[in-house]
Amino acid sequence: ETGVTQSPTHLIKTRGQQVTLRCSSQSGHNTVSWYQQALGQGPQFIFQYYREEENGRGNFPPRFSGLQFPNYSSELNVNALELDDSALYLCASSRENGETQYFGPGTRLLVL
Amino acid sequence: KNQVEQSPQSLIILEGKNCTLQCNYTVSPFSNLRWYKQDTGRGPVSLTIMTFSENTKSNGRYTATLDADTKQSSLHITASQLSDSASYICVVARSYNTDKLIFGTGTRLQVFP
Repeated sequence: ETGVTQSPTHLIKTRGQQVTLRCSSQSGHNTVSWYQQALGQGPQFIFQYYREEENGRGNFPPRFSGLQFPNYSSELNVNALELDDSALYLCASSRENGETQYFGPGTRLLVL
Repeated sequence: KNQVEQSPQSLIILEGKNCTLQCNYTVSPFSNLRWYKQDTGRGPVSLTIMTFSENTKSNGRYTATLDADTKQSSLHITASQLSDSASYICVVARSYNTDKLIFGTGTRLQVFP
C-alpha cells in the first residue's frame, strides 16, 4: 500500500454527464498528478498540482479540470463525458515535484 | 517525436526462471528513467529510478540497466515468482518536473507454476 487513496473505486456514467474523482495524497506529499490509462495502454498525463496550483498540463481538453485543497488532497472533474473517457484514472503523489511518485489504486470509469 | 517503446508486449515464463524486459526511448531532453510494476486493476508501483550517470540499479530481484548513449534500458527479473505477474512500465522523464513524463505501453508478464 502506498498511502494514496482514491474514491470511488468504480463508477458508471452516461454520455454528457459530469464526474468528480477524488484523491488523498500520502502524508507529507504536496504534489499530486492525475493520469488517464486506457485499457492496454500506458498512463497519459492529465495535469499536476503543486501546493494548490496547477503545475503542468497534458494534452487534454478544458472539460478536464482539477483542484487541490490545503491538505493537498485533490479532485479531478470531467464535464460532458464522452465514451472515450472510459478508462482507469490514476492519481500519484510525491513529496516534492519531480521526486518518486506513489500511485493510488485508481478509479475505473465506464461511460455508456 | 518523444516515444518510449517496450518489448516484448507480453511474456510467459515458468516460476523460478529469469527474464529480461526491454525499453527503447527517443525522448529528449532526458532527465531520468523509471521502471514501474502495475498489478491488474492497481496503480503502478515504482521499482527503480536511474539518472543519466547511472547504468545499473537493483531493487531485490529486479535489476535495471541504462545505456544513455544508445537510449536503451532493460529490467532483469531473477528467480521469478508467481507474484511477479504484472505489467512492467518504462517511464522516461524529460525534465525533473513530473509533467514531462513519457510512459511506455508496458510489458505484460505472466509467471506460471
